[in-house]
Amino acid sequence: QITLKESGPPVVKLTQTLTLTCTFSGFSLSTSGVAVGWIRQPPGKALEWLALIYWDDDKLYSSSLKSRLTITKDTSKNQVVLTMTNMDSVDTATYYCAHGMVAAVGGAFDIWGQGTMVTVSS
Amino acid sequence: DIVMTQSPDSLAVSLGERATINCKSSQSVLYSSNNNNYLAWYQQKPGQPPNLLIYWASTRESGVPDRFSGSGSGTDFTLTISSLQADDVAVYYCQQYYSSPHTFGQGTKLEIK
Repeated sequence: QITLKESGPPVVKLTQTLTLTCTFSGFSLSTSGVAVGWIRQPPGKALEWLALIYWDDDKLYSSSLKSRLTITKDTSKNQVVLTMTNMDSVDTATYYCAHGMVAAVGGAFDIWGQGTMVTVSS
Repeated sequence: DIVMTQSPDSLAVSLGERATINCKSSQSVLYSSNNNNYLAWYQQKPGQPPNLLIYWASTRESGVPDRFSGSGSGTDFTLTISSLQADDVAVYYCQQYYSSPHTFGQGTKLEIK
């Protein structure tokens, strides 16, 4: 059974750097074809795709946020970390991590974490 | 970036009736070498994460009721719920994974009439 859980600070201050950790079980990010992504959703708004990391360490980023985002993986800890610099009030959102299996579902996300709400305060 | 545009933004359908949600991509998401459309559909209920319904534009995820179906190719896609149930009230999103970034549509809110 695949599970993912996001963790991180519920509140960050303006201009600070946000670090979020996705801890997963039921799969290995060293297995060919596996990917983990980050998606966010501001309150009452749509989903926004942020970043994706593949089993081979290939990484993809949102065009508009690329300069602020870094995604990394720690295969031994079964974790994926997303950092976002220079946080602003518009970054207040629920942040999700999700699993994908390229060969099976392509770039779709078949299993999602419950999400973690992050509020940016002044 | 590929822009995904859904229509309508909201929809009210009577129980037992058909619901149709459209998704249009700003460029084709059909990969000619394998004839796959790189398009997924998700359902999101209030307070929950999204749930994958359809991938490769028309392949139903395991466990998804067969009243949900996906169709279309190239730039125009449709999610159809053949007979609306009360449990289908949710926001529905399409997503392309043809090219990075793997963008989502703006969502369509489905309600009961």
